[in-house]
Amino acid sequence: GAVVSQHPSWVICKSGTSVKIECRSLDFQATTMFWYRQFPKQSLMLMATSNEGSKATYEQGVEKDKFLINHASLTLSTLTVTSAHPEDSSFYICSARWASGSLDTQYFGPGTRLTVL
Amino acid sequence: AQTVTQSQPEMSVQEAETVTLSCTYDTSESDYYLFWYKQPPSRQMILVIRQEAYKQQNATENRFSVNFQKAAKSFSLKISDSQLGDAAMYFCAYLEYGGSQGNLIFGKGTKLSVKP
Repeated sequence: GAVVSQHPSWVICKSGTSVKIECRSLDFQATTMFWYRQFPKQSLMLMATSNEGSKATYEQGVEKDKFLINHASLTLSTLTVTSAHPEDSSFYICSARWASGSLDTQYFGPGTRLTVL
Repeated sequence: AQTVTQSQPEMSVQEAETVTLSCTYDTSESDYYLFWYKQPPSRQMILVIRQEAYKQQNATENRFSVNFQKAAKSFSLKISDSQLGDAAMYFCAYLEYGGSQGNLIFGKGTKLSVKP
């Protein structure tokens, strides 16, 4: 199956610092990548949709200046949490869209647990 | 707007038994995909099974099968011969066919426990 990596798997940072999370599709080129946030015992909440070479599309209520997304290639997207605060602590998950012919599926990275002190 | 509903927040099954997880959805589209994803304690989202709406035949992947009822907008997941490793959160998801963005619509999930 298609593999998506995410790095780092966990990070602890001080309030006010910035944190970058990388998402890579290892064995396929992703037309689109997605960033989700997941609170404990809840479903995934879509934050933004990222297409290679273009600006990300953010969901309502997500601050684009706080959550910077860069999609430099068909295999790499990054999420930067700028000036992180304790309320940004969460589990962040990326996914990559593999679409070929009549098949269209998202494959997920293992997630990143962010703790802001 | 499309919605996905999982009416069972928690389910429990005895090891080696069969369990069915429910999912209903709402859409005005005729072509779409439906998925079941599994999220074990590691929190890695794993694709369990996929169904294309235009296919009448129910998808099957080893011990996992679906009962896809398009008219009723129902998409249940059956797990046969349940194993301890099946314990996880299960999310039902909808994807519009040919959508420009391809974003999934998730249900709230069902937590499955497997008793030894």
